[in-house]
Amino acid sequence: AAGVIQSPRHLIKEKRETATLKCYPIPRHDTVYWYQQGPGQDPQFLISFYEKMQSDKGSIPDRFSAQQFSDYHSELNMSSLELGDSALYFCASSPGGSTEAFFGQGTRLTVV
Amino acid sequence: GENVEQHPSTLSVQEGDSAVIKCTYSDSASNYFPWYKQELGKRPQLIIDIRSNVGEKKDQRIAVTLNKTAKHFSLHITETQPEDSAVYFCAATSDASGGSYIPTFGRGTSLIVHP
Repeated sequence: AAGVIQSPRHLIKEKRETATLKCYPIPRHDTVYWYQQGPGQDPQFLISFYEKMQSDKGSIPDRFSAQQFSDYHSELNMSSLELGDSALYFCASSPGGSTEAFFGQGTRLTVV
Repeated sequence: GENVEQHPSTLSVQEGDSAVIKCTYSDSASNYFPWYKQELGKRPQLIIDIRSNVGEKKDQRIAVTLNKTAKHFSLHITETQPEDSAVYFCAATSDASGGSYIPTFGRGTSLIVHP
């Protein structure tokens, strides 16, 4: 069965650079969530989209922005990267009206 | 917002023993409680869930219980095996204003099953 696809899987950036992470939800899933997971930490909710509109916002820094496109894929844009942004970034998707969230394999971002 | 507490942070058992992980939540509106298993460097994978209209759910060696009054829920793994070793996260999910349901995670329990 198709799963949530994230790209790239690994990304190395320098401080103050920008990064774009992509998420392709499971077909027919119209809700996307972004989570940040630091080493040894639980996933922290950043932002979510439902039917291409931002639905909820968590602890997402102002330097980050995200959107969901007409094909339901989502992109997380991260600017002025800091060393502390190094983490695993997970995208999850769910069908509208459902509480079940399925996670992608994550993007490991390393800021040097 | 929702706050989920999870205990213990580390759990070490012998193969064949049972393991119990407990979580509490704060938002009485939360109505869906998934459990995720995360192996090192991999994604959280949903292993079992329970909804607020059910007190217990079982799937082979794993079971979850929910006490809505006390706002706590637990994961029970019986006959543990070394491949059960992973970090387990509980989560509580409630309806969000924007039309999505946001899982809030506990801090995780690192389960180690010794052969």
